[in-house]
Amino acid sequence: DAGVIQSPRHEVTEMGQEVTLRCKPISGHDYLFWYRQTMMRGLELLIYFNNNVPIDDSGMPEDRFSAKMPNASFSTLKIQPSEPRDSAVYFCASSKLAGVQTQYFGPGTRLLVL
Amino acid sequence: GESVGLHLPTLSVQEGDNSIINCAYSNSASDYFIWYKQESGKGPQFIIDIRSNMDKRQGQRVTVLLNKTVKHLSLQIAATQPGDSAVYFCAESYTGGGNKLTFGTGTQLKVEL
Repeated sequence: DAGVIQSPRHEVTEMGQEVTLRCKPISGHDYLFWYRQTMMRGLELLIYFNNNVPIDDSGMPEDRFSAKMPNASFSTLKIQPSEPRDSAVYFCASSKLAGVQTQYFGPGTRLLVL
Repeated sequence: GESVGLHLPTLSVQEGDNSIINCAYSNSASDYFIWYKQESGKGPQFIIDIRSNMDKRQGQRVTVLLNKTVKHLSLQIAATQPGDSAVYFCAESYTGGGNKLTFGTGTQLKVEL
């Protein structure tokens, strides 16, 4: 079975540019999570969705970050405009129904903003 | 100013020895715990989980121990192999917390040949 799929795997962009990260969760999973990982702050939850609806976006750093989930098989995380401090590895994870369930992570997108 | 990264604790073990990685959690309401393994350049990978109604759970070569009294979690890896070298994270969650996981800072496991 395919796991969580993320694209692109690597992204290098210049400060001020728009960046869009993409995620396809595991089929049948109702929860989708976006995380950011840096050496400074470790693994941070940015936002998560349940049945395509954003439930908690308290981890989103600022208005430059936005996330959408137009359907059960696709989500995007957008940064506009990007800044050097946004450089990090961004992970998408998904899990099954309500109740505390294991989250399965994608391979991540390594973002470098110059 | 100069940035300072997280200082990951490091555990070095000889190949074939047993490894014990520890984790302290803070939320006494947490009732679900997971251990993840993250290899360089990859996403965290599920290893084993445990619910608060248990104090021990075993998998293949791994055992998780939970001590709710002192809010402590440990991961034991038997006969550690070079492929076990990675960063290991514990994560906690609680019923009613919306499936959110709170991750620890991680422990770097290095297996020496």
